[in-house]
Amino acid sequence: ETGVTQTPRHLVMGMTNKKSLKCEQHLGHNAMYWYKQSAKKPLELMFVYNFKEQTENNSVPSRFSPECPNSSHLFLHLHTLQPEDSALYLCASSQELSAPGRLSSGNTIYFGEGSWLTVV
Amino acid sequence: GQQLNQSPQSMFIQEGEDVSMNCTSSSIFNTWLWYKQEPGEGPVLLIALYKAGELTSNGRLTAQFGITRKDSFLNISASIPSDVGIYFCAVPLYSGAGSYQLTFGKGTKLSVIP
Repeated sequence: ETGVTQTPRHLVMGMTNKKSLKCEQHLGHNAMYWYKQSAKKPLELMFVYNFKEQTENNSVPSRFSPECPNSSHLFLHLHTLQPEDSALYLCASSQELSAPGRLSSGNTIYFGEGSWLTVV
Repeated sequence: GQQLNQSPQSMFIQEGEDVSMNCTSSSIFNTWLWYKQEPGEGPVLLIALYKAGELTSNGRLTAQFGITRKDSFLNISASIPSDVGIYFCAVPLYSGAGSYQLTFGKGTKLSVIP
C-alpha cells in the first residue's frame, strides 16, 4: 500500500466509448502525475499537476484529457481511443514538484498500482 | 530526450544466486533511484541515492551511485522467488521553471528459477 489508489484496476473499452481513470492519494502530496507504460517501452510521463495546476503535457493526444479538481485527486478522461493506447496507466504523486538540483529524501515519487486499459 | 541505458534487459537466474544490473547515461545526475515493479502492480521505490560514490543497502539489495555520477548499480544477493519483477532506474531531469521530472530506464526483467 503506497498511499496512491487507482480505479478501476482493469478497463476494457471500445474505440467510441468515453471512460475515466481515477487516482487518489492519501499522502498529503502536492504534485500528481500520469504515466503510460507500454510493452517494451520506458515509463512515459504524460501529464503533471502541481497544486492543481497542469505544468506538463508531454505532447499527449487530445483524446486523453486530465483533470485535477484538488491536490488529492487526479482523473484521466478517455475518449475515442485507439487500440495502440492499450497500456498500463500509472498515477503517481510527490510532495513537491520543484527541487533545487536534486530530489530530496522527502520528495520521492510514489506510484499507484496502475489501471490496465484495453481498447478494442 | 535523455536516454538511460539499463542492462541487462532480462535475466534468468537460479534461486540463491546474486544479481547485478546497472544504468548508465551520458549526462551527470545528482540523484539515482531504483524501483521494482511486480507483475500487475505499480513501481515501488527500493533505494534512493543522493551522493556520488554512495553505497546504500536495503536488506539483500545494495545500490551504488557511480563516482562519475553517470551510472548506478543495483545488486541483489541470494535471490529468492519473490525477487521476480522488473527493476527500473530513474533520474530527475530538469524540465524548466525550477521543476524536475523523473525519467526511467527501460527496465531489467528478473526471473528466478526455484
